[in-house]
Amino acid sequence: GAVVSQHPSWVICKSGTSVKIECRSLDFQATTMFWYRQFPKQSLMLMATSNEGSKATYEQGVEKDKFLINHASLTLSTLTVTSAHPEDSSFYICSARGVRSDNANTGELFFGEGSRLTVL
Amino acid sequence: GDSVTQMEGPVTLSEEAFLTINCTYTATGYPSLFWYVQYPGEGLQLLLKATKADDKGSNKGFEATYRKETTSFHLEKGSVQVSDSAVYFCALDNTGFQKLVFGTGTRLLVSP
Repeated sequence: GAVVSQHPSWVICKSGTSVKIECRSLDFQATTMFWYRQFPKQSLMLMATSNEGSKATYEQGVEKDKFLINHASLTLSTLTVTSAHPEDSSFYICSARGVRSDNANTGELFFGEGSRLTVL
Repeated sequence: GDSVTQMEGPVTLSEEAFLTINCTYTATGYPSLFWYVQYPGEGLQLLLKATKADDKGSNKGFEATYRKETTSFHLEKGSVQVSDSAVYFCALDNTGFQKLVFGTGTRLLVSP
């Protein structure tokens, strides 16, 4: 099946620094990627939707200048947490849908393993 | 707005026990409903889905029926295995664009 990989799987950084998380689709072209955030014992909350080659659409309450999303290619989207603070510590998950090499729609979402960010 | 509520875990069962994980939802219209499973160290995977009332989704021995009258989509399995130990997420899509609304997840622990 289709595979989505996130990197890094966990990262610790100092307050005030910026952190980039990558989301790659390994065997299909991801025309759309979603970024989620999950707090302990809470639901995955959709942060933004990104379509390849266009600006991301952010959900209400998500600061677009804080969480920069780039989807410059059909296999890679990045989430950059700028000037990170301890309250940004969370589990970030991406998902992707798109087109396989045989041009068939993948038909479902495929999720990365998640990236745990801890800001000291 | 739309929301999904599922039972808190962890749910601890012995192998071959019957499993039920409750999920109820609040949404306008007729959302599609999903169960995702996350095994340790892996991403969420679609387990099953139902797109309209009274549909039953099934996969790997798991079943869930879309109940419009009770706004529920409970997950069941007749006989769980140790390998079923994972976190299970109930979700809905009311947009048609796979913008999912998730429940909090329920951890299932199955012991031999």
